[in-house]
Amino acid sequence: EAAVTQSPRNKVAVTGGKVTLSCNQTNNHNNMYWYRQDTGHGLRLIHYSYGAGSTEKGDIPDGYKASRPSQENFSLILELATPSQTSVYFCASRQGNTGQLYFGEGSKLTVL
Amino acid sequence: QEKVQQSPESLIVPEGAMVSLNCSFSDSASQSIWWYQQHPGKGPKALISIFSNGNKKEGRLTVYLNRASLHVSLHIKDSQPSDSAVYLCAVVTEGADRLTFGKGTQLIIQP
Repeated sequence: EAAVTQSPRNKVAVTGGKVTLSCNQTNNHNNMYWYRQDTGHGLRLIHYSYGAGSTEKGDIPDGYKASRPSQENFSLILELATPSQTSVYFCASRQGNTGQLYFGEGSKLTVL
Repeated sequence: QEKVQQSPESLIVPEGAMVSLNCSFSDSASQSIWWYQQHPGKGPKALISIFSNGNKKEGRLTVYLNRASLHVSLHIKDSQPSDSAVYLCAVVTEGADRLTFGKGTQLIIQP
């Protein structure tokens, strides 16, 4: 069974603080994705990666950075967190262009 | 850019009923359509997919795709309380490097 693990699962941050959300996959998939999920908006793509060293902007990249240091790890970085970034963040992996994404359990971020 | 719309937004049905969920998409070059199931506090999980016009059945699930009308539907037979979840429709467009998701349908099965 493909496995995607996110950490932390819950995070409370202060406005202006730095937040790093981490994701690890044991699927050996090339492609990894970061989404946020909000009521009324569904899943929105923030950043994605084709492999180690690669990061691409998704549909809502402003205020976020991404890092893919290895095949297994993909991080989402909020340099200056704002309350509007309060959300549930999901990491996912995918092999090639198949439509099957494997999601992590989510990271709930609250920015006060 | 691909647009995916789902209906209804929410649905409450009694246990044992047939459930029908709808999804419309904008790009006729869509390669495949996937349905994901998401339980509270969990990540979405791929449920069933369809690539060709027509229908596909897996257990209690049947999915219908009509490319001419840009519409796909998911039907759940003999619904169970454990089917209560959010159902997401996702479209893979040929040549695209991502999936486009609809906003989802919240399904509640009442015992």
